Amino acid sequence: EVLLTQSPATLSVSPGERATLSCRASQSVSSDLAWYQQKSGQAPRLLVYGASTRATGIPARFSGSWSGAEFTLTITSLQSEDFGFYYCHQYNNWPPTFGGGTKVEIK
Amino acid sequence: QVQLKESGPGLLKPSETLSLTCTVSGGSISNNNWWIWVRQVPGKGLEWLGEVYQSGTNNYNPSLQSRVTLSVDKSKNHFSLKLTSVTAADTAVYYCATGEKWLAPFDNWGQGTLVTVSS
Repeated sequence: EVLLTQSPATLSVSPGERATLSCRASQSVSSDLAWYQQKSGQAPRLLVYGASTRATGIPARFSGSWSGAEFTLTITSLQSEDFGFYYCHQYNNWPPTFGGGTKVEIK
Repeated sequence: QVQLKESGPGLLKPSETLSLTCTVSGGSISNNNWWIWVRQVPGKGLEWLGEVYQSGTNNYNPSLQSRVTLSVDKSKNHFSLKLTSVTAADTAVYYCATGEKWLAPFDNWGQGTLVTVSS
C-alpha cells in the first residue's frame, strides 16, 4: 500500500498570500495523484488530477506540480473561500490511498 | 454530471450491520464508471472502503475486506454498501463517489451521511 505523507499538518496563511502544500509518496505513483479540497461539513471536491491538471471549474490560482514522488499544490493569492482541508490521493497503485491532510487556516 | 446521494440509518448499535445506498441521478449507473465508498471518522482523514462496477465486480480495502460488501442495482440506479459487525470505530461520515475508470480520481461525490455506532 502506498503511503502518502502530507506536510505541513497546518498552514497559517494571510488572505492574498501564497500557500504551498506538499504530498510525498512512499513509492512511485507516476503522475497519478489528485488533490481535493474539503470545507467544514462538505464533501471533498476534486481540484487537480494527473498531478497538474485542474478539474472543471477550478480557478487558475490552484496549480499542481511534481518531481519524482514529491507533489505540490500551490494556491496563489489565497482567497477567503480557500481555507479548509486539502487531501492528496494516489490512484496509480491499488488500493487507492489518501494523505492525512493539510489544514489551511487564516493567519 | 451525475449527482450522488447517500441514504440509510444514521444510528446503529454495536454488532449490527451498516447498510447504505447511493442513488445516482442525472446519468446511468450502467456507464463505464466505477462506484466508490469513502468514509471519514469525525476530525480525521479519508479512508477508501471499496469500489464496484456495473457488472458487480468489486474490490475492497484489505483492512475491511471481511466485513464489507458492495453491490449494484441497475433497476434502481443505485449502489449499496454493507458493513457487518460494526463498532464505535465505524462511526464516520460515509461518502459515495465515482471515478471514470478503475484507478481514477474521484470526480464526483455525494454529500455524505453520518453513521453513529452507539449502544
